Amino acid sequence: EAGVAQSPRYKIIEKRQSVAFWCNPISGHATLYWYQQILGQGPKLLIQFQNNGVVDDSQLPKDRFSAERLKGVDSTLKIQPAKLEDSAVYLCASSGLGKAFFGQGTRLTVV
Amino acid sequence: DAKTTQPPSMDCAEGRAANLPCNHSTISGNEYVYWYRQIHSQGPQYIIHGLKNNETNEMASLIITEDRKSSTLILPHATLRDTAVYYCIVRVGQLGNTPLVFGKGTRLSVIA
Repeated sequence: EAGVAQSPRYKIIEKRQSVAFWCNPISGHATLYWYQQILGQGPKLLIQFQNNGVVDDSQLPKDRFSAERLKGVDSTLKIQPAKLEDSAVYLCASSGLGKAFFGQGTRLTVV
Repeated sequence: DAKTTQPPSMDCAEGRAANLPCNHSTISGNEYVYWYRQIHSQGPQYIIHGLKNNETNEMASLIITEDRKSSTLILPHATLRDTAVYYCIVRVGQLGNTPLVFGKGTRLSVIA
């Protein structure tokens, strides 16, 4: 069974630039999550989708972060403009049968 | 906020059992205990979950106290590849899609 796919694996950008991350969940999983993990901390939920609708985006900094899940499958997370404190690993997860499965994440460095 | 308390770090000798404790004294009746681990530079990996009965799978055993206020994850024969951060999480429902709320976890170091 294919896992959660994320790209790119690494990204380095300058502050005030924009960046986008892509996620392809496990086939058939209706629920998709984006997490942010800052070095030394546990992952923090940014947004949860159910099919192509947003269930919870209360912790998403909406002035600079946006996410979409068109057609209820793939999802993209965008940051515009990036700040130094956005340096983190961005993890995508999908959920089925009571378990959540995570991708390897995208490591973003903002310089 | 995470509803669990775990020690920040633990060591275990290779080949010995690793027993990772977790306190969840405010757990509700419909909340399950989940364990995930995160090996360096990888995403979190599901290990096991349970409601009130002890559970075992090919990776680990989960022992939940009768009052459900604490649990222990047991890796029966730890190897160097088990070195990781282990997260204990309580989550509403088994088949629901409520998100996982992570704390800081326990950093397990398996020593040769």
